[in-house]
This record gives sequence, C-alpha cells and structure tokens, in this order.
Amino acid sequence: EAGVVQSPRYKIIEKKQPVAFWCNPISGHNTLYWYRQNLGQGPELLIRYENEEAVDDSQLPKDRFSAERLKGVDSTLKIQPAELGDSAVYLCASSLGQGVGEQYFGPGTRLTVT
Amino acid sequence: AQSVTQLDSQVPVFEEAPVELRCNYSSSVSVYLFWYVQYPNQGLQLLLKYLSGSTLVKGINGFEAEFNKSQTSFHLRKPSVHISDTAEYFCAVRKNSGGSNYKLTFGKGTLLTVNP
Repeated sequence: EAGVVQSPRYKIIEKKQPVAFWCNPISGHNTLYWYRQNLGQGPELLIRYENEEAVDDSQLPKDRFSAERLKGVDSTLKIQPAELGDSAVYLCASSLGQGVGEQYFGPGTRLTVT
Repeated sequence: AQSVTQLDSQVPVFEEAPVELRCNYSSSVSVYLFWYVQYPNQGLQLLLKYLSGSTLVKGINGFEAEFNKSQTSFHLRKPSVHISDTAEYFCAVRKNSGGSNYKLTFGKGTLLTVNP
C-alpha cells in the first residue's frame, strides 16, 4: 500500500513569489492534515480536513495561506506571497475516521524562501 | 492546552550502548502519548504509543517507553542502539477525549546520533 505522497520534495523560491504543495493521502483516509515544521522544532498543525471540509483552520495564516481538498482526496496548500519566515518543511498526514485514528505522515516538502 | 518538553536537544551515544530520550508533558486532562522517529529527509514514523493499560509500551525497532503519570513523563529507551537508529525523535501528546482530541502537540525533538 502506498504511503502519503507529497510533491515537490524541495522548492526554492524568492520572497513575494507564490508556491504550492500537493498531497495525496493514503487511499481511503478521509482525514487529511497539513503541518509546518520549522527548523529545530516539532510539527505544528496548520489545517485539518474531514473529507472536503476544512474542520480546523485556526492555525492557518489566512492572509497568505490557502488550502483546498477538492473531492475529498488530494489536497493543495498554497502560499502567496511567500515571506522569508515561511522557510520550513511542510508535512502532510492522513488518517482514518474522524480525526482520532493514527496519523501517517508523508516525506514533506522543504521550502526555502530567499 | 497541552505542552511537551524534550529535555535533551541532542544525545550522542556509541553503538551498542543503551539510550534514554526524555519527555515530560503538561496537560490538565488525560492524554495519549506518542513517540515518532524522523530519519533524514523523511516524514515522521510512529515508534510507539500509550493509550491505556500497561504503562510499559513496546514499539518497533526494539524501542520501549514507560508512562509515569505522577511524574508526567514518557521516556523512550533502547537497551542497545545501532548506527541505523541515528535520527530525530519526537514526543507528542493528544487529549484522549473532548473537543480537538485529534490535535497532536509535539516536542522540539531530540537528535540521536549513534557513533561507531
């Protein structure tokens, strides 16, 4: 069974440019999470989806970040415009059930903003 | 709210030596406890978890952890480490009931480096 797939794995952009990350969860997992992991820190939740509904986006900086999960499967996280402080690893995770199942993590996208 | 403190940011050890990675948590409600491992350029993988029952939990790759409610600790141990155990280890907590009980709160991580 394939795990959580993320692309790209690495991205380098200049500040003020837009960037998007893509996530394909484990087949059948209805709950999807986006986390941000700053250097030397643990992951922090940005947004959680149950199917296509964002049920917790309280930690998402909505002025520049947006996310979507059309059809309740793949998800895209976008930053526009990117700032230097957005440099981090963006992790996607998925789980079965209504958010209390074990979370399986993808390899992440390492974003560097110059 | 919950919080997690990993007391050591880096732990260097020699191969075949025992290791303990320390984790303390703070919470006003009952929690579930987790240890994740992150190998270089990879995502997090669950090592073990404490949900209920026996306070000694065994996980993958020969790791175990003990839940100590009175000391609010969940230390990770391995009796003999291998070079391949070199990785970042994260302790995490989650409420076991109530609103937002899906939300994992992570510590800052402990980098375990196993030297030959």
